[in-house]
Amino acid sequence: NAGVTQTPKFQVLKTGQSMTLQCAQDMNHNSMYWYRQDPGMGLRLIYYSASEGTTDKGEVPNGYNVSRLNKREFSLRLESAAPSQTSVYFCASSEGQARGAFFGQGTRLTVV
Amino acid sequence: QKEVEQNSGPLSVPEGAIASLNCTYSDRGSQSFFWYRQYSGKSPELIMSIYSNGDKEDGRFTAQLNKASQYVSLLIRDSQPSDSATYLCAVIRSGSARQLTFGSGTQLTVLP
Repeated sequence: NAGVTQTPKFQVLKTGQSMTLQCAQDMNHNSMYWYRQDPGMGLRLIYYSASEGTTDKGEVPNGYNVSRLNKREFSLRLESAAPSQTSVYFCASSEGQARGAFFGQGTRLTVV
Repeated sequence: QKEVEQNSGPLSVPEGAIASLNCTYSDRGSQSFFWYRQYSGKSPELIMSIYSNGDKEDGRFTAQLNKASQYVSLLIRDSQPSDSATYLCAVIRSGSARQLTFGSGTQLTVLP
């Protein structure tokens, strides 16, 4: 079982470049999440999708956009990358909004 | 006040001892509570979930919830060096914004 799969695992961007982080889950989960993790800051929610067709802002949405393409896939887009967006990004999914989430392996993004 | 607070540690315990990890949360209406383990450079792994007051045991792990005191704890019995990791407390907030919110984590080291 793949669980939650994120691509790419590593990425280096120049300031101002754009990119999309891909996430797919094969657990038939309704809810999906994007987090970023910075040293000493813990996991901070960027966006989440409670179900297919819905998305909501989390704690730190500025500079990001998301698309819930279908039940399996939830992508995160950086339109104009900034050094402050250097972080490790995690996608997660859960069966429902009251259930624990399962995480992908993460994407380590560096913006120079 | 942070929504989910944990002592950052580091917490060190000898092998075979009980490790006690604590977490407090600010949203009194929160209903779902989770503990995650994160090894260095890896993604968070869900190890315990608890939804009602009292204790929940799973192997060497016991989660304790006290909603009146807005307090969640994790006990690890017979601690092993392989338990050395960062432990993250997570809470699903109440209301329409049912976001999975994390504390900043407690780093645990089990000394052989």
